[in-house]
Amino acid sequence: EDKVVQSPLSLVVHEGDTVTLNCSYEVTNFRSLLWYKQEKKAPTFLFMLTSSGIEKKSGRLSSILDKKELSSILNITATQTGDSAIYLCAVEGGSEKLVFGKGTKLTVNP
Amino acid sequence: NAGVTQTPKFQVLKTGQSMTLQCAQDMNHNSMYWYRQDPGMGLRLIYYSASEGTTDKGEVPNGYNVSRLNKREFSLRLESAAPSQTSVYFCASRRTRGAYEQYFGPGTRLTVT
Repeated sequence: EDKVVQSPLSLVVHEGDTVTLNCSYEVTNFRSLLWYKQEKKAPTFLFMLTSSGIEKKSGRLSSILDKKELSSILNITATQTGDSAIYLCAVEGGSEKLVFGKGTKLTVNP
Repeated sequence: NAGVTQTPKFQVLKTGQSMTLQCAQDMNHNSMYWYRQDPGMGLRLIYYSASEGTTDKGEVPNGYNVSRLNKREFSLRLESAAPSQTSVYFCASRRTRGAYEQYFGPGTRLTVT
């Protein structure tokens, strides 16, 4: 059975700190790994990582896929209070389905 | 483009009542999904439809039925609601299978008393 584990489950930091969120997976026939940000509404897409695109960056956010270690990290530098959210990791394997982790709740205090 | 829309936004049901959650997308996507989200549980797949005319069970299908009415619309039905179905329900769509992201609707908050 496909499985995605995120750590930590929650994290509290101060504005300006750098954070690293972790996602590890077990999936048959890996296709892609996705990161989403969820505030008090629907998840919004951040990044997709595949075998042909193992590193993505957008502003202060970046993500790397380690296919050997079956894991990914999401880095946020110079955090702001607006970064407070739940960050979800999802993986697609050989089926049509995305399997989501339980998420990391990030709180950024001023 | 409205993206993915869901109705209703909120609903309160009594145990045993039935209801249908509606979802529509205007992005000409082939694949559509229904998830439920409970505190600390991430998103769990209820049913999905890889293309018009097909539906398949996800991780937690018991107590639910779905209909892919056409390419745009995918509905989720609770025939006899139970308190365990209290949750936030999200519909999502994706262009097709493969390396494409899913787009989510705004969610329906359902409470079953």
